[in-house]
Amino acid sequence: GQQVMQIPQYQHVQEGEDFTTYCNSSTTLSNIQWYKQRPGGHPVFLIQLVKSGEVKKQKRLTFQFGEAKKNSSLHITATQTTDVGTYFCALTGGGNKLTFGTGTQLKVEL
Amino acid sequence: KAGVTQTPRYLIKTRGQQVTLSCSPISGHRSVSWYQQTPGQGLQFLFEYFSETQRNKGNFPGRFSGRQFSNSRSEMNVSTLELGDSALYLCASSHKGEVTEAFFGQGTRLTVV
Repeated sequence: GQQVMQIPQYQHVQEGEDFTTYCNSSTTLSNIQWYKQRPGGHPVFLIQLVKSGEVKKQKRLTFQFGEAKKNSSLHITATQTTDVGTYFCALTGGGNKLTFGTGTQLKVEL
Repeated sequence: KAGVTQTPRYLIKTRGQQVTLSCSPISGHRSVSWYQQTPGQGLQFLFEYFSETQRNKGNFPGRFSGRQFSNSRSEMNVSTLELGDSALYLCASSHKGEVTEAFFGQGTRLTVV
């Protein structure tokens, strides 16, 4: 089945610094979703990207889908302590089945 | 609108026992998916039900099974529990039949001793 590599596994930043996580696939993706899971919480949907080269913004979060639809990134500008959590990309395939990346755990220090 | 509800929140079972977990999706959602989350394996897809039919199944042994009722509520069952089954089991519901936002419940934390 489809698999996706997500890097880095961990990221420790100072508040105010930027953060980026990347997802890479060896195959072309039809679309990709991003989720955030706070410590002790459950995954929460952030966004879905469908089009080649698509860029979407949500306040300080910028999501990109590669031109070849084989990679995606999530960039957070000027991190805040509320950004702490694990960010997952997820591939869709067959109904509502999601194949999750390994996640990037973000820690933000004051 | 109420979110996805999973019961129980926490469970401790002994090896060899069986367990049933319950998930009530958001009203109007017909798709329910189950995931297992562990530190070692991450988030793994178990199965998906849509309108009472299993539509997708992940790579888990037959000890893991599920069903969906006519009101879209779903249950998953794990028989002959093993220590490695200790995990957070998450249920997600979706409104449409395909490729749409998944709403996750708080999960059931299962510990097998």
